[in-house]
Amino acid sequence: SQTIHQWPATLVQPVGSPLSLECTVEGTSNPNLYWYRQAAGRGLQLLFYSVGIGQISSEVPQNLSASRPQDRQFILSSKKLLLSDSGFYLCAWRGTGNQPQHFGDGTRLSIL
Amino acid sequence: AQSVTQLGSHVSVSEGALVLLRCNYSSSVPPYLFWYVQYPNQGLQLLLKYTTGATLVKGINGFEAEFKKSETSFHLTKPSAHMSDAAEYFCAVSRGGSQGNLIFGKGTKLSVKP
Repeated sequence: SQTIHQWPATLVQPVGSPLSLECTVEGTSNPNLYWYRQAAGRGLQLLFYSVGIGQISSEVPQNLSASRPQDRQFILSSKKLLLSDSGFYLCAWRGTGNQPQHFGDGTRLSIL
Repeated sequence: AQSVTQLGSHVSVSEGALVLLRCNYSSSVPPYLFWYVQYPNQGLQLLLKYTTGATLVKGINGFEAEFKKSETSFHLTKPSAHMSDAAEYFCAVSRGGSQGNLIFGKGTKLSVKP
C-alpha cells in the first residue's frame, strides 16, 4: 500500500534562517506531488505541485521554493524565512486518473 | 473556474443528532468532488469522493454525501453524531486536467456536545 512521510513534525526557526521540509512517498511511481500551507483559521493554500522529476509549478509568488530531485521525493525550501511563513505545511500525492489526493501528517512551522 | 463554498464555519450538534455539513461548488467541467476530515495537528483524511456514477456516495465512519447537479451541491451527512466526529471538514472540487489540483472550501469545524 502507498504511504506518505513528512518530516519534521514540528519546527521552530528564527526569522532569516533557511528551511528544508521533506516529503517522500512509498508504494507508487510517478505520483503527482503537492505542497500546501494552512495558516491559522484559514483553508488550504496550494503552494507548489509537480507532475514529474524536476517539474515544479508555483501557484503563488512567495518566499518559498520547491524541488523534486527524485520521483517520490518533494522538498520545500526557503533561503530566508519570514514571520509570515509560519503555518502548517502539508504534502500530498495523487496517482493517475480521477484519484483523490492523499495527505501526509504535516509540519507545524513556527517562526520566531 | 472552479470554486467551493462551505456554509457555516462552525457547526455544533448533540451526540446522536444528525450531522449536516453544506458544500456548494461551481465548475465549468463535470466536477469531481471530495470531502476530507482533519483532526487537530494532523493531515487531511479522505472521507469520500464523487467522480461519476451513483450520486449518493458512502464513505468512512458512517458519512455519506449526495451529488445534486441541479443544486450544485455536495452536502455531507451522518445520521447520528459521535464525539469522535469532532473535527474540521473540508469540501474540495477538482480543477480538472492531469495535474489533479483541488480547490478547497474554507472548512467547517464540527463540535459534538455530550
